[in-house]
Amino acid sequence: GAGVSQTPSNKVTEKGKYVELRCDPISGHTALYWYRQSLGQGPEFLIYFQGTGAADDSGLPNDRFFAVRPEGSVSTLKIQRTERGDSAVYLCASSLTAVSNTGELFFGEGSRLTVL
Amino acid sequence: GNSVTQMEGPVTLSEEAFLTINCTYTATGYPSLFWYVQYPGEGLQLLLKATKADDKGSNKGFEATYRKETTSFHLEKGSVQVSDSAVYFCALNTGNQFYFGTGTSLTVIP
Repeated sequence: GAGVSQTPSNKVTEKGKYVELRCDPISGHTALYWYRQSLGQGPEFLIYFQGTGAADDSGLPNDRFFAVRPEGSVSTLKIQRTERGDSAVYLCASSLTAVSNTGELFFGEGSRLTVL
Repeated sequence: GNSVTQMEGPVTLSEEAFLTINCTYTATGYPSLFWYVQYPGEGLQLLLKATKADDKGSNKGFEATYRKETTSFHLEKGSVQVSDSAVYFCALNTGNQFYFGTGTSLTVIP
């Protein structure tokens, strides 16, 4: 597609449930990033992929969070046993490559997760 | 470590006023610097960038100069419009990770 696509745009779930958030990056972009944005804050890094592999997952807050990108395109962020503190907007971004420090990120519109 | 600090908002200005949003950074190595903007109901989008010291990024009347000596990348616009109302994020790219400031909300009133 023309831009980064994220689904669902809104997700309301109950505490303890499992959630999957999907990101479809810009075609040809090898780098894909997940960020979390809480109200009034800037995007907080979670994980990034270069191709199929997670190149840096140091931002994942705990082992309830996991992300995959099996074919080097679409990525899924998975959250197990959701907690109210997980409520936030989850942003996906892609970049042509992660190697250069001059590249820019292209963001999707985000998936707003609300855990009741 | 790497981090970005930007002035807190919200900022409210009248149309045609001068805008400055301050941004300072801490980084190892030689990062690139960015300003991203988030208009109401939309995703973040790149406003401008600078990739090395003394570079000036510019777009839509906005400018920012990469100042290594003061580790700053302040955003300026000479005459703001109502359509500039948005949240502005300063960011740096170290080569494999982007770091964002907390954002500054700007409201321009007619």
